[in-house]
Amino acid sequence: GNSVTQMEGPVTLSEEAFLTINCTYTATGYPSLFWYVQYPGEGLQLLLKATKADDKGSNKGFEATYRKETTSFHLEKGSVQVSDSAVYFCALDAGGTSYGKLTFGQGTILTVHP
Amino acid sequence: GAGVSQSPSNKVTEKGKDVELRCDPISGHTALYWYRQSLGQGLEFLIYFQGNSAPDKSGLPSDRFSAERTGGSVSTLTIQRTQQEDSAVYLCASSNGRGGPETQYFGPGTRLLVL
Repeated sequence: GNSVTQMEGPVTLSEEAFLTINCTYTATGYPSLFWYVQYPGEGLQLLLKATKADDKGSNKGFEATYRKETTSFHLEKGSVQVSDSAVYFCALDAGGTSYGKLTFGQGTILTVHP
Repeated sequence: GAGVSQSPSNKVTEKGKDVELRCDPISGHTALYWYRQSLGQGLEFLIYFQGNSAPDKSGLPSDRFSAERTGGSVSTLTIQRTQQEDSAVYLCASSNGRGGPETQYFGPGTRLLVL
């Protein structure tokens, strides 16, 4: 079946530090990959996505590259801010008969200190 | 414009009671999804609607769970004879349903506590 494995948290960083949150996946076919973010007290929202191999999704300084050879979609940001403190979820849409059914990783809690 | 809304935002019920959770998707979105977020299981897919039809019910945990959608808009998720393990945040999402990998827009969730 389809699955997503995320780096376990929580992750605690100082402001302006470099962030990497690892995400690897298992899926049949050619999934689309997503990062969703949940800020404190708010609902899930899309951060970025990539729909085919070697695509790079980017938004708000965050980037992730769809690596088919390593089945990975790691999230990176060069300089984090306190406002980036949130829970980050990697997810895939396997398409085909599973179209629209997002499979999520467990989530990684990020805390950024001033 | 208005996002996905869900009601109630919080629900406390006694074991064995039935509950109904409501989702209002973004206007014009034909696809609607229900997920459950719990400490033990993370985020799990429950059911997906395209229009009023549910082509994928594979995630419903048991026959106590059912969902319907009317008029291609509002959806209700019903849990009968609630159990303590049903305690979770129930999330609804919608997307434009035009095909391809779509962005799902999530509501704030309904936090259900079964005593």
